[in-house]
Amino acid sequence: GDSVTQMEGPVTLSEEAFLTINCTYTATGYPSLFWYVQYPGEGLQLLLKATKADDKGSNKGFEATYRKETTSFHLEKGSVQVSDSAVYFCALSGWSGGSNYKLTFGKGTLLTVNP
Amino acid sequence: EAQVTQNPRYLITVTGKKLTVTCSQNMNHEYMSWYRQDPGLGLRQIYYSMNVEVTDKGDVPEGYKVSRKEKRNFPLILESPSPNQTSLYFCASSLSGRFQPQHFGDGTRLSIL
Repeated sequence: GDSVTQMEGPVTLSEEAFLTINCTYTATGYPSLFWYVQYPGEGLQLLLKATKADDKGSNKGFEATYRKETTSFHLEKGSVQVSDSAVYFCALSGWSGGSNYKLTFGKGTLLTVNP
Repeated sequence: EAQVTQNPRYLITVTGKKLTVTCSQNMNHEYMSWYRQDPGLGLRQIYYSMNVEVTDKGDVPEGYKVSRKEKRNFPLILESPSPNQTSLYFCASSLSGRFQPQHFGDGTRLSIL
């Protein structure tokens, strides 16, 4: 079945540092890929998405490129802020059998940004 | 405002006492789903619904029931809750489900004693 593997956390950075959170996936066919962010006490919010190979999703300074050859969708940001502290989830939506287009999530990466 | 609303946000209850977590969306979405989030396990799908009166099991359906009598509502029912169902629960919806992002509620934290 489908699966998502993302780097274990926690990740601790200083403000203005460069961020990379690695994500690789296994799926049949051509899934859509997403990054979600979860701030403390809140639900998951869509951060960015990509629906086909070589697509680059971007939002709020975050970027990720859909790499089919390496089955990866790494999240990057050039200069993190304290307000970026949150848990980040990589996810895919594809065929999971029958008509269920469920989201398959990675286990999440906790990011803490210090001033 | 487009949103997915879950109630209650927090609940502490005892083993065996039936409970219902409500979920409502105002976006006219066809696809709705329930997930539970547990430390070290990430989010796992419990049940999903492709449309009214169409529901099916996800990865961890044991101990849960759902219904979809109206398009906007998708309640999660725990007929006889047990401590291993203590978790953070999220309801989500999307336009059709297919390859699309899902919109999440703010979560319901259940503690079963």
